[in-house]
Amino acid sequence: GDSVTQMEGPVTLSEEAFLTINCTYTATGYPSLFWYVQYPGEGLQLLLKATKADDKGSNKGFEATYRKETTSFHLEKGSVQVSDSAVYFCALRRAAGNKLTFGGGTRVLVKP
Amino acid sequence: GAVVSQHPSRVICKSGTSVKIECRSLDFQATTMFWYRQFPKQSLMLMATSNEGSKATYEQGVEKDKFLINHASLTLSTLTVTSAHPEDSSFYICSARDPPRDRDGETQYFGPGTRLLVL
Repeated sequence: GDSVTQMEGPVTLSEEAFLTINCTYTATGYPSLFWYVQYPGEGLQLLLKATKADDKGSNKGFEATYRKETTSFHLEKGSVQVSDSAVYFCALRRAAGNKLTFGGGTRVLVKP
Repeated sequence: GAVVSQHPSRVICKSGTSVKIECRSLDFQATTMFWYRQFPKQSLMLMATSNEGSKATYEQGVEKDKFLINHASLTLSTLTVTSAHPEDSSFYICSARDPPRDRDGETQYFGPGTRLLVL
């Protein structure tokens, strides 16, 4: 079945540091890939997405590129802020249907 | 933006009792809502898909008599954990789709979750 694997946290960084969260997936066909973010006390929000190979999703300074050859969708940000402290979830959705398959989430803590 | 609320945010109950969790779309009508369960340090697991006015579709391995879902209106879906036991303790999250804003079927709006502890 479909699965998403992402690095375990917590990831602790200083402000302005570079952030990478690894995400790899297993799925048949050509799924759409997503990153969701959950800020403290809030629901998951869609951060960015990519729907086909080599697409790059970007939002709020975060980027992720859909790599079909390595089945990966790593999230990166060049300079994090304290406000980026949150839990980040990688997810996929098969081409058919609306079911999302999530990774385990990675907690990121950015210190001033 | 689209907002989804859940109530209660936390609930503690005794083993054998039933607990109802509400999921509301506050500023849009949601024909489809989803219920997820999350164990500590694990991913969200889809439990069921709830469609307004019809029976919910449960994922394999989820007991529909244990987890009753009612989507009686376009803004409210409820999950009732019946005869709860300690192993039902978990974090329950709902999400909703807003079809007019979701042309490609990609976007789900998530509630903040409900933490259930069964003693």
